[in-house]
Amino acid sequence: DAGVIQSPRHEVTEMGQEVTLRCKPISGHNSLFWYRQTMMRGLELLIYFNNNVPIDDSGMPEDRFSAKMPNASFSTLKIQPSEPRDSAVYFCASSFAGRDEQFFGPGTRLTVL
Amino acid sequence: GEDVEQSLFLSVREGDSSVINCTYTDSSSTYLYWYKQEPGAGLQLLTYIFSNMDMKQDQRLTVLLNKKDKHLSLRIADTQTGDSAIYFCAEIGFSGNTGKLIFGQGTTLQVKP
Repeated sequence: DAGVIQSPRHEVTEMGQEVTLRCKPISGHNSLFWYRQTMMRGLELLIYFNNNVPIDDSGMPEDRFSAKMPNASFSTLKIQPSEPRDSAVYFCASSFAGRDEQFFGPGTRLTVL
Repeated sequence: GEDVEQSLFLSVREGDSSVINCTYTDSSSTYLYWYKQEPGAGLQLLTYIFSNMDMKQDQRLTVLLNKKDKHLSLRIADTQTGDSAIYFCAEIGFSGNTGKLIFGQGTTLQVKP
């Protein structure tokens, strides 16, 4: 298995632009998590899905952030409009069940100028 | 709510033992985890301990669990420069009936030659 796949690996954009981050979880996993990591705030859980349904989105910072999981093999995290303070590494992770070992993707490093 | 706390930084000399400490709040957590994040990569599961155990040893790694004090530690014997990374402890939290991992802020381990 290729593991959790994220794209792009790096994204540089200008303030106000829309950013879409993509994730393909490990086949057979039914829980998917989006995290954000910064030096200041550490690792933050943004949202997670169980069987494609959002379970807890309390970590989503504001309405500019949205996440979807249209099917078991794909999820997106969208930021519209982006701001410099959104600059971070965004990780996607998946697991067989919410409480089990999570397998992390390599992350997307987002820089908003 | 659930909360996991760690010290942010630890520096040791190569060959010494490292001890990374963590405190957690949810006494019902059945498993407690240690994840390792190497530079530029996602988190990977390093080891875990079941809540009815006091200690688990795995080669150079020793996990100690004090349930009364809700304290978890990770000891790395004969620390090597390749052990330099960020180490996260995690407990299980719940949204309704759905479990998720709650991560600490991470402890950066610096190993000096």
